[in-house]
Amino acid sequence: KQEVTQIPAALSVPEGENLVLNCSFTDSAIYNLQWFRQDPGKGLTSLLLIQSSQREQTSGRLNASLDKSSGRSTLYIAASQPGDSATYLCAVRIQGAQKLVFGQGTRLTINP
Amino acid sequence: NAGVTQTPKFQVLKTGQSMTLQCAQDMNHNSMYWYRQDPGMGLRLIYYSASEGTTDKGEVPNGYNVSRLNKREFSLRLESAAPSQTSVYFCASSASIYTEAFFGQGTRLTVV
Repeated sequence: KQEVTQIPAALSVPEGENLVLNCSFTDSAIYNLQWFRQDPGKGLTSLLLIQSSQREQTSGRLNASLDKSSGRSTLYIAASQPGDSATYLCAVRIQGAQKLVFGQGTRLTINP
Repeated sequence: NAGVTQTPKFQVLKTGQSMTLQCAQDMNHNSMYWYRQDPGMGLRLIYYSASEGTTDKGEVPNGYNVSRLNKREFSLRLESAAPSQTSVYFCASSASIYTEAFFGQGTRLTVV
């Protein structure tokens, strides 16, 4: 059974810092991995999708990497801003199934 | 840019009542999903529809039914609501297993 883990569960950093969020998964048989952000009381907003054949994807200040063989992905946020404060979720699309399997998320707080 | 639209946004039910959560997407996506999000449990798949005319159970289907009314719409029905179904429900859609999943804003359901 695929399990997705995100560590740490919560992270608080001062504004301007570069930071890395971690996501690990137990089964490397995936189609892709997607990073989302979720603001309190809101839905999930897609940030980046990285296919299993790719090593990284970039969007603005965000960079996601994927090491499928070791079951790890990282989300790098450059020059963090208070508006980046949210919960960040990673999810893998497992092979042979339709569903996304989610981690529990990392709650990120950027302090002004 | 409507994306995925869910109605209602909030609902309070009494135990034993029934209700239908509505979801519509305007992106011409083939696949649609219903998830529930609970503290400490993360997001779990209830049902999904890989394409118009098909539906399948996810991880936690008990107590729910679904209808894929057409390509745009996918509804979730609670026939006899129970307090354990208190949760936030999210509808999502994607063009295929290789593409991004997009989520609605959620329905916050309380069963008393």
